[in-house]
Amino acid sequence: RKEVEQDPGPFNVPEGATVAFNCTYSNSASQSFFWYRQDCRKEPKLLMSVYSSGNEDGRFTAQLNRASQYISLLIRDSKLSDSATYLCVVNGNDYKLSFGAGTTVTVRA
Amino acid sequence: DTAVSQTPKYLVTQMGNDKSIKCEQNLGHDTMYWYKQDSKKFLKIMFSYNNKELIINETVPNRFSPKSPDKAHLNLHINSLELGDSAVYFCASSQVETGGPDTQYFGPGTRLTVL
Repeated sequence: RKEVEQDPGPFNVPEGATVAFNCTYSNSASQSFFWYRQDCRKEPKLLMSVYSSGNEDGRFTAQLNRASQYISLLIRDSKLSDSATYLCVVNGNDYKLSFGAGTTVTVRA
Repeated sequence: DTAVSQTPKYLVTQMGNDKSIKCEQNLGHDTMYWYKQDSKKFLKIMFSYNNKELIINETVPNRFSPKSPDKAHLNLHINSLELGDSAVYFCASSQVETGGPDTQYFGPGTRLTVL
C-alpha cells in the first residue's frame, strides 16, 4: 500500500466553481501534513500546511481527519490560475516527506 | 536571488555515461534532499543530508552517489546511466525543527534524458 494515496483526477471545473478532493495516508504516526502545488514542468511549491483543527488560506480550505487518516483540500471560486497538480504530503516524526502522486485540477473559462 | 538552484536544467546523454547534477541553496537551511519524479509524476525521495551527514538513503542503485561538500550544496553523481534513469530530478532544502522538517523549497529540476 502506498504511503499517500490520491485520486489522480482530472477534475475539470468551470471558473467560479468549488472543487474538493482528498488524500489518505497509511502511517497513523504521521505528524505534519501539507498541500503542495505543482504546475506543468515546474517544481512543487508549498500551498499550505494542514492543521488539526482545519485551516483556511483565502479561497483554499484544508481539513485533517486523523481518525480516518485523510486530508482534504477545497478550492472555492476557482480561477483559471488554479489549474495545476495538487500534491498531498505527509511527514512522520523524521526527516522524510511522503508525497502523493497528485490530483490534477483544470479550471476552464 | 534564487533560493534553490540546480545545474544543468536539461541533460541529454547516452546510456553508460557518467554525469553529475549540482544543487545549491542560499536559504541557510541545514537539510537538503534529492527527489526523482518519473513519467508517472510520482515524486520519490532518494537521499537527504543534514549538516553534511547522510540521513536518508532510500532504495536507490549504488550507481547514484550524493555528495555534500558543505550544508549549502548537495550534488548527485550518476554512474553508468541507464534508460530507466530518465526522469526529472529535484533538489530541495528545508530547516529541520523538532518533530520533522519545515517547508521544503524545491529547485527548478533537472530533466535527464538517457538515450
